[in-house]
Amino acid sequence: EVQLLESGGGLVQPGGSLRVSCAVSGFTFTNYGMSWIRQAPGKGLEWVSRISDSGGSTYYADSVEGRFTISRDNSKNTLWLQMNSLRAEDTAVYFCARRDGYPGYFQHWGQGTLVSVSS
Amino acid sequence: QSVLTQPPSASGTPGQRVTISCSGSRSNIGSNTVDWYQQLPGMAPKLLIHSNDERPSGVPDRFSGSKSGTSASLAISGLRSEDEADYYCAAWDDSLHGYVFGTGTKVTVL
Repeated sequence: EVQLLESGGGLVQPGGSLRVSCAVSGFTFTNYGMSWIRQAPGKGLEWVSRISDSGGSTYYADSVEGRFTISRDNSKNTLWLQMNSLRAEDTAVYFCARRDGYPGYFQHWGQGTLVSVSS
Repeated sequence: QSVLTQPPSASGTPGQRVTISCSGSRSNIGSNTVDWYQQLPGMAPKLLIHSNDERPSGVPDRFSGSKSGTSASLAISGLRSEDEADYYCAAWDDSLHGYVFGTGTKVTVL
């Protein structure tokens, strides 16, 4: 069974940093690109970042470019999102998701982890 | 800000057919396939349709998708109470190098 489990969310002050993790199981992690997608309270879905299966290619939404870094360790079956210079508008539930097919869609999602940015 | 535009709400009585539209541009829907997601309150999104009109295993055939030019639509036939949820279209955008979601449509079963 494919499983994705996020962790690391919490309350952080504006300007602070936080790293969220996504531990996966039930599939060969090295074969799949991954993405982070977020949802602010009461709002819609927003794609944040993606990383290729090898980790060699990364892309970011304009709203987080230069502040967030996506990475992965295929030996640990883990995906990360390092978030720096956090702003109130980054408050959201952060989901990790596996990219399937081409150009890609998301059939498998984690349950999400809440990141709150507030003083 | 969402790049794909959906109506904020749609509704119908049990058994009716409901259609949700999704309007994009040449760089997203016009160049790539469209996916649809269903999200129940407090839950992660669930993939309903991928590649314009393909249903993943387990998704009832009451759900169908289509695409024409820079627009797409999701149809729910034989509406049921459990279909009450938020629905999002999505597509890759060649200009943004990212995946863009629609504004979302809340479906209410009257």
